[in-house]
Amino acid sequence: NAGVTQTPKFRILKIGQSMTLQCAQDMNHNYMYWYRQDPGMGLKLIYYSVGAGITDKGEVPNGYNVSRSTTEDFPLRLELAAPSQTSVYFCASSYPEADTEAFFGQGTRLTVV
Amino acid sequence: ILNVEQSPQSLHVQEGDSTNFTCSFPSSNFYALHWYRWETAKSPEALFVMTLNGDEKKKGRISATLNTKEGYSYLYIKGSQPEDSATYLCAHPLGQGGKLIFGQGTELSVKP
Repeated sequence: NAGVTQTPKFRILKIGQSMTLQCAQDMNHNYMYWYRQDPGMGLKLIYYSVGAGITDKGEVPNGYNVSRSTTEDFPLRLELAAPSQTSVYFCASSYPEADTEAFFGQGTRLTVV
Repeated sequence: ILNVEQSPQSLHVQEGDSTNFTCSFPSSNFYALHWYRWETAKSPEALFVMTLNGDEKKKGRISATLNTKEGYSYLYIKGSQPEDSATYLCAHPLGQGGKLIFGQGTELSVKP
């Protein structure tokens, strides 16, 4: 019953460091998403993918990169961490139909100092 | 990106009060409207996915209505309990298979 699994749960980065947030799902969902949550702002879409090999920008893509080499995995890369990237990050997945719900991972709390 | 707007941003009620909040979304090219419940330190979980104009869905004390022609949905909680305290998010997919865009959420606090 894994669902959507994110790692790590917490991370502190120094300005300029890089890291990859991992996301994996075992529900054979075509669609996968990365969101960030900032206070009072709800969830902002960073990147999404409609299937292996296909990714597209969301609302706030700057400073991030993604890849989707398999249906299961959708890692998010931060190349040069900045304080503005301090946030809670959520990965989600769903079937492609608009009337199907999204399932979320447990979140990654990232602090950039 | 077309916006999804929620109001109010936060709400404080007493246990037993009934409450409601609003989600506004673009009425053109409508496919679905999602409601999620998000408790502190947990992940968002789906409450309802609504597709038909005039649709009404219910889960326990929580219900939701949908007006696709005017572009709004209401979420109602009858007899609020402290365990209802959470952020309630609505989301709108852009297109039949499009990206899911969320509103800023309504943070509900229910005091015993």
